[in-house]
Amino acid sequence: EIVLTQSPGTLSLSPGERATLSCRASQSVSSSYLAWYQQKPGQAPRLLIYGASSRATGIPDRFSGSGSGTDFTLTISRLEPEDFAVYYCQQYGSSPFSFGQGTRLEIK
Amino acid sequence: EVQLVQSGAEVKKPGESLKISCKGSGYSFTSYWIGWVRQMPGKGLEWMGIIYPGDSDTRYSPSFQGQVTISADKSISTAYLQWSSLKASDTAMYYCVRGGEAVAGMENWFDPWGQGTLVTVSS
Repeated sequence: EIVLTQSPGTLSLSPGERATLSCRASQSVSSSYLAWYQQKPGQAPRLLIYGASSRATGIPDRFSGSGSGTDFTLTISRLEPEDFAVYYCQQYGSSPFSFGQGTRLEIK
Repeated sequence: EVQLVQSGAEVKKPGESLKISCKGSGYSFTSYWIGWVRQMPGKGLEWMGIIYPGDSDTRYSPSFQGQVTISADKSISTAYLQWSSLKASDTAMYYCVRGGEAVAGMENWFDPWGQGTLVTVSS
């Protein structure tokens, strides 16, 4: 089973700043089958990025994904107030399809 | 619009059985995998398993194999998650998710997500 480790656990930033979230896999993620999700309190998660770097429909271009193999990054170029939430990475290349433990992005 | 609509919140006692549902609309239900994800209170996301409604091919995470049953009724575009004997540790929010097209394999991101079904198990 592939274990995903996200860092940091909590990230405190101000609106307008750049956020960089990391997701590291215990073994290589095949074909860059890596997704990122955003979850706000009381809501279901929402797909942001798939295939490590492709934005889902309707996702603003301030969100970008990069990486391959075992190291992946989600970058939010300029934080908007609505971006403060919990972010999860997930690999779907090898069953069981595991999630990272999440990074909480909070307002500083 | 592609939508997954889940059944309502449940409050059950330990040892009781339960079946929750997820109805798909806005797409060909039999062409896409449907999965289930657990989120325990204040915790992260856990993938439980996935089913292809076209032929009921089902795969489970080892953590959930034997603990739950995933099924689907393609005639009414609905997937199910069921327990035969609930435990207090089953208390969680459960989300259904759409995976990829069956012809492309089950390796796919999850989109969209259902609104979630809160299951509370307490004596």
